[in-house]
Amino acid sequence: GAVVSQHPSWVICKSGTSVKIECRSLDFQATTMFWYRQFPKQSLMLMATSNEGSKATYEQGVEKDKFLINHASLTLSTLTVTSAHPEDSSFYICSARDGAEGGNSPLHFGNGTRLTVT
Amino acid sequence: DAKTTQPPSMDCAEGRAANLPCNHSTISGNEYVYWYRQIHSQGPQYIIHGLKNNETNEMASLIITEDRKSSTLILPHATLRDTAVYYCIVRGSNDYKLSFGAGTTVTVRA
Repeated sequence: GAVVSQHPSWVICKSGTSVKIECRSLDFQATTMFWYRQFPKQSLMLMATSNEGSKATYEQGVEKDKFLINHASLTLSTLTVTSAHPEDSSFYICSARDGAEGGNSPLHFGNGTRLTVT
Repeated sequence: DAKTTQPPSMDCAEGRAANLPCNHSTISGNEYVYWYRQIHSQGPQYIIHGLKNNETNEMASLIITEDRKSSTLILPHATLRDTAVYYCIVRGSNDYKLSFGAGTTVTVRA
């Protein structure tokens, strides 16, 4: 089956630094990728949608200058949390759509990145 | 996307069938029903999806009512490893985004 790999699986950083999270589709071309954030005991919240080669579309309330998304190739999207603060500590999850599959095909999810900002 | 309603939690016995209900009374004609689950501290795992016919795969069965306003996910023989949060999501075929609700926390007990 389709595999989405996220790296790192966990990261601890100091307040004020930036952190980059990678999301790769290993065996398919991901024309569209999605980034989610999940706080403890809450559901996943969609942050943004990225299409290969174009600017990401952010959900309402998500700061695009703080959460930089780059989808430069059909197999890689990155999320950079800039000037991270403790309130950015969360579980970040990416998902990807296989461009070769039909419109009703399921999205494939990575295993998430646990970010802790101290 | 149509909103879904699921019970917040349910328990089931190991080895028995687990029936997870979902209401989606505002579903429109081109929207599919998807089921995902999330085991603690992992990314969501796709289970099954359907439009109007019942579907079955190696993980589960999906029963959709004739009016499509509700569905049931059936795990035929629940194991302890099936303990997870189960999400029922409705999505159109041209809208690739998935919006997650609160889901149902399923606890399988020995």
